[in-house]
Amino acid sequence: DTAVSQTPKYLVTQMGNDKSIKCEQNLGHDTMYWYKQDSKKFLKIMFSYNNKELIINETVPNRFSPKSPDKAHLNLHINSLELGDSAVYFCASSPTENEKLFFGSGTQLSVL
Amino acid sequence: RKEVEQDPGPFNVPEGATVAFNCTYSNSASQSFFWYRQDCRKEPKLLMSVYSSGNEDGRFTAQLNRASQYISLLIRDSKLSDSATYLCVVNKGDSWGKLQFGAGTQVVVTP
Repeated sequence: DTAVSQTPKYLVTQMGNDKSIKCEQNLGHDTMYWYKQDSKKFLKIMFSYNNKELIINETVPNRFSPKSPDKAHLNLHINSLELGDSAVYFCASSPTENEKLFFGSGTQLSVL
Repeated sequence: RKEVEQDPGPFNVPEGATVAFNCTYSNSASQSFFWYRQDCRKEPKLLMSVYSSGNEDGRFTAQLNRASQYISLLIRDSKLSDSATYLCVVNKGDSWGKLQFGAGTQVVVTP
């Protein structure tokens, strides 16, 4: 059983399209996150949700919209994709804030 | 100054040798510290938490120096499988849930 699962693993799309990445955790954690890892390998937090409530919203373009239907799911929807959005997106969860993170296997997004 | 800084490496280490590297952080209010390991094209995985008194997990030893604001990781008797990027993670201290990642230190263990 995968603890944090995200789909799809690879996403190749054209500029201007809208796409979604799904994430689910079966660890019973209260907190979920989206991280972006760019070509320089730097992991940067985008969003954090605690029990379905948005806690952290870093300076991310509003084309990115997270949605948490319940505390086990945190999806990421991206509108009007741009070339600069190409990166690996990791979903993660933790029992509470500032605790160790459990990551999904990542979604490699390529915008052409 | 970056909030969390690491020497990117690579540290080329012969199998069986010891390697150590540091990570500096800028926020003196930080309370939580971790080392993660990331293999190429894979997700980061927790290696160990770092406690004030220092802690050891098998061949891995982590230390915290609050006065100089750095944490360290030492790997003894390096194995080929230790080749990876090691990410330093520090909480921001004053912000809820904000764990800050360093850019990573690459370690390459050679036969």
